[in-house]
Amino acid sequence: DAGVIQSPRHEVTEMGQEVTLRCKPISGHNSLFWYRQTMMRGLELLIYFNNNVPIDDSGMPEDRFSAKMPNASFSTLKIQPSEPRDSAVYFCASSLEAGEDEQYFGPGTRLTVT
Amino acid sequence: AQSVSQHNHHVILSEAASLELGCNYSYGGTVNLFWYVQYPGQHLQLLLKYFSGDPLVKGIKGFEAEFIKSKFSFNLRKPSVQWSDTAEYFCAVIPAYSGAGSYQLTFGKGTKLSVIP
Repeated sequence: DAGVIQSPRHEVTEMGQEVTLRCKPISGHNSLFWYRQTMMRGLELLIYFNNNVPIDDSGMPEDRFSAKMPNASFSTLKIQPSEPRDSAVYFCASSLEAGEDEQYFGPGTRLTVT
Repeated sequence: AQSVSQHNHHVILSEAASLELGCNYSYGGTVNLFWYVQYPGQHLQLLLKYFSGDPLVKGIKGFEAEFIKSKFSFNLRKPSVQWSDTAEYFCAVIPAYSGAGSYQLTFGKGTKLSVIP
């Protein structure tokens, strides 16, 4: 298996622009997670899905952030409008079942908002 | 909600030295525990995990961790580090059961390990 795939790997955008990050989980995994990593706050869970349904979005910073999982093999994390403080590395991870199995992480998207 | 504390922010060791990274968690129930490693510029990879059974678990690359329930600890150890172990190490915990339906994997802040050749 190719593992968790994320795109783009790097994104540089101007403040106010819309940013869409994409993730393809490992085939057969039922749970998908979006994390944000910064120097100041470390790794934070933003949202996770189980069987394509959002289960816990308490980590989503504010209404500018939204995530969707239209099918079992694709998820997006959207920031609209983006702000410089959104600059971070965003990781997607998947697991067979939330809580029971290890999470496999993608390579991350490094987002820079200027 | 659970929380994870990693005691050391940055550890510097010479090659062949022994390593122990501390991890303590707080949660009232049963947990599953993980150590992940992030090599420079790369994504997180699982080093080892504990779900149940023998509290001394062995992982990849010679790493091991011991779960001490009474101390809420899950310290990572390696008897002899190599330069290639230079990375950031994250302890993580997740409730083993969730009546509320939310399985949030909580990470510690991470410990940077620098190994000097």
